[in-house]
Amino acid sequence: QKEVEQDPGPLSVPEGAIVSLNCTYSNSAFQYFMWYRQYSRKGPELLMYTYSSGNKEDGRFTAQVDKSSKYISLFIRDSQPSDSATYLCAMRVNQAGTALIFGKGTTLSVSS
Amino acid sequence: ETGVTQSPTHLIKTRGQQVTLRCSSQSGHNTVSWYQQALGQGPQFIFQYYREEENGRGNFPPRFSGLQFPNYSSELNVNALELDDSALYLCASSTFGGSTDTQYFGPGTRLTVL
Repeated sequence: QKEVEQDPGPLSVPEGAIVSLNCTYSNSAFQYFMWYRQYSRKGPELLMYTYSSGNKEDGRFTAQVDKSSKYISLFIRDSQPSDSATYLCAMRVNQAGTALIFGKGTTLSVSS
Repeated sequence: ETGVTQSPTHLIKTRGQQVTLRCSSQSGHNTVSWYQQALGQGPQFIFQYYREEENGRGNFPPRFSGLQFPNYSSELNVNALELDDSALYLCASSTFGGSTDTQYFGPGTRLTVL
């Protein structure tokens, strides 16, 4: 079993839809959880950062972490064609300088 | 504030050759991490440099090596290139022990090994 599992999709939605992206993980020591957006042939761009469990909202984006279920989610409201990209979940343990462990990424396409 | 930059953007090498990739950290950051991202996969951690020393390493062979310079810029060197080394190489900078220790990525260098 991989440490972080993420459905690669692809996921196709119409403009304005609510998108739900998810990751599961096996290492209960993970404390920091991130979502990155990666456009084709570009580097990952940090979208959301969450420590431990709970919700965090930033504009159209909401990140949720459920440590009891080892499950994290990213919700995108009112999706736009510019949201079309690959979304990577990443996480690490509570120790400075440790590596990020990534999921494979979910490819999202939002059609106008 | 200057973001993370990487050079070159892309390059093509042949099997057995050696390659050096370069990274400049984001202003104010003192730690550099390198990742390899194969097509269709998430980034895989290669190693991290802090205070000019390797501070952690992923499951990569010794022919992957690095350097960090006093200005916090960094190099990734790969010797004896193999076809499977073809990937996007990403550099990420952060502040070691900072309040978030969040890693910010550069645009990557796409390496093709023929």
